[in-house]
Amino acid sequence: DSGVTQTPKHLITATGQRVTLRCSPRSGDLSVYWYQQSLDQGLQFLIQYYNGEERAKGNILERFSAQQFPDLHSELNLSSLELGDSALYFCASSPQSSGANVLTFGAGSRLTVL
Amino acid sequence: AQSVAQPEDQVNVAEGNPLTVKCTYSVSGNPYLFWYVQYPNRGLQFLLKYITGDNLVKGSYGFEAEFNKSQTSFHLKKPSALVSDSALYFCAVRPYGNNRLAFGKGNQVVVIP
Repeated sequence: DSGVTQTPKHLITATGQRVTLRCSPRSGDLSVYWYQQSLDQGLQFLIQYYNGEERAKGNILERFSAQQFPDLHSELNLSSLELGDSALYFCASSPQSSGANVLTFGAGSRLTVL
Repeated sequence: AQSVAQPEDQVNVAEGNPLTVKCTYSVSGNPYLFWYVQYPNRGLQFLLKYITGDNLVKGSYGFEAEFNKSQTSFHLKKPSALVSDSALYFCAVRPYGNNRLAFGKGNQVVVIP
């Protein structure tokens, strides 16, 4: 157990629907990162938050949004889902927002869009 | 923007033989460099990192990596591979003062008994 908790572990939904993925960071970590892993795109950085504020943005689609709450947990919202959104979504956390901080990853949420 | 290249899709090695997983990077300024490993149905786990100083970095499970600034490389090595080392290995780079950590596409390592 890495200390980063992601729910749900598996999610199957239909095109056009909206889902929310949840992440609780490791105790004491202030920064949360979201990554998307797919066979053809590899591990793509989506977005990063630090202590409630957005710090960096990657290849995140406009249909996707995220936030980090005062208790430091984070949610990734995916809307108007398409078949191509099927992937493994990872959350990671670190104590600080940059530098040599090591990321601790959760086990991932596997999204299947039918 | 920073980027990482892991040129080989899969690395096959016999158990007991040396293992090398290649990584080259492109970044403005000085980099922090990382290696992570992903076992099936698991999240990524940290192996080692380079910050500054000695170019040879030692990490978990007997792995080490050599930073070569002139070749912009950070190859992962293990002197004697184990079957349990079979996994997906990711190289990652983050420039000094930058929040974004960019990962390579990953290399599948298969250790043959």
